[in-house]
Amino acid sequence: EAQVTQNPRYLITVTGKKLTVTCSQNMNHEYMSWYRQDPGLGLRQIYYSMNVEVTDKGDVPEGYKVSRKEKRNFPLILESPSPNQTSLYFCASMSLYEQYFGPGTRLTVT
Amino acid sequence: GENVEQHPSTLSVQEGDSAVIKCTYSDSASNYFPWYKQELGKGPQLIIDIRSNVGEKKDQRIAVTLNKTAKHFSLHITETQPEDSAVYFCAAPVYSGGGADGLTFGKGTHLIIQP
Repeated sequence: EAQVTQNPRYLITVTGKKLTVTCSQNMNHEYMSWYRQDPGLGLRQIYYSMNVEVTDKGDVPEGYKVSRKEKRNFPLILESPSPNQTSLYFCASMSLYEQYFGPGTRLTVT
Repeated sequence: GENVEQHPSTLSVQEGDSAVIKCTYSDSASNYFPWYKQELGKGPQLIIDIRSNVGEKKDQRIAVTLNKTAKHFSLHITETQPEDSAVYFCAAPVYSGGGADGLTFGKGTHLIIQP
C-alpha cells in the first residue's frame, strides 16, 4: 500500500530536549516536505526536499533542521524545542502535483 | 510567490443542503488547483483537482469550478452528508525557475454538517 508514515504519532517533551520525528514514504517520490498545522493558520511549510541531499527552507524554518540522505526518509529535527513549536506536524511526499500526507505527529513542548 | 486566500474559515450547513468554499490565488502562471479534505485525526487527502484548461470538473457530489480571469476557484458539495464534515484546504502550485516547487495551501475551511 502506497503510504507516508511518521513516528511518533504523539510526543510530549520538555524545552531544550532534542527530538527527531521520522518520515518515510514507499512511493519512490523525489519531493518530500514538512508542514506544521496550527489553528487559524492552516498548513505552513517548514522545509522541503526536491531530491536526495537537496533541502530548502519553506515559510517557517526557524528552529528546525532536516536531512535527506535517502530517497524514502526525511526526518525533522528539533535541536532545542521551545513551547512555540507545540503543533501538529505533517510529512508529505509528492508525485507531479499530488501530495500524499502522513497521519501527523502531535507535539507538545512544555 | 503564490498567495492563496480561502473563505469562509467555518461553514455550517444543514444536511442535504449545498456547501461552497472559495479560494483566490495570485500567480497567473498557476495551472493546477487541488482540494484536500482532512478528517479528524488524519492527514489531508486529495479529493478533486482541476487544471487550467477546463472551467469545471465533477465527481459525484463534489465539483470544482475555475475562473482564470478572476483568479478564483471554488469547491461545491451538493446533498451534503454527515461524512462531509471535515476541514477542506485549497492549494495552488509554487513555482521557481525550474518548475513547480510544491503547493501553497489556503488556511482551511471547517465544514460542519448539521443533522
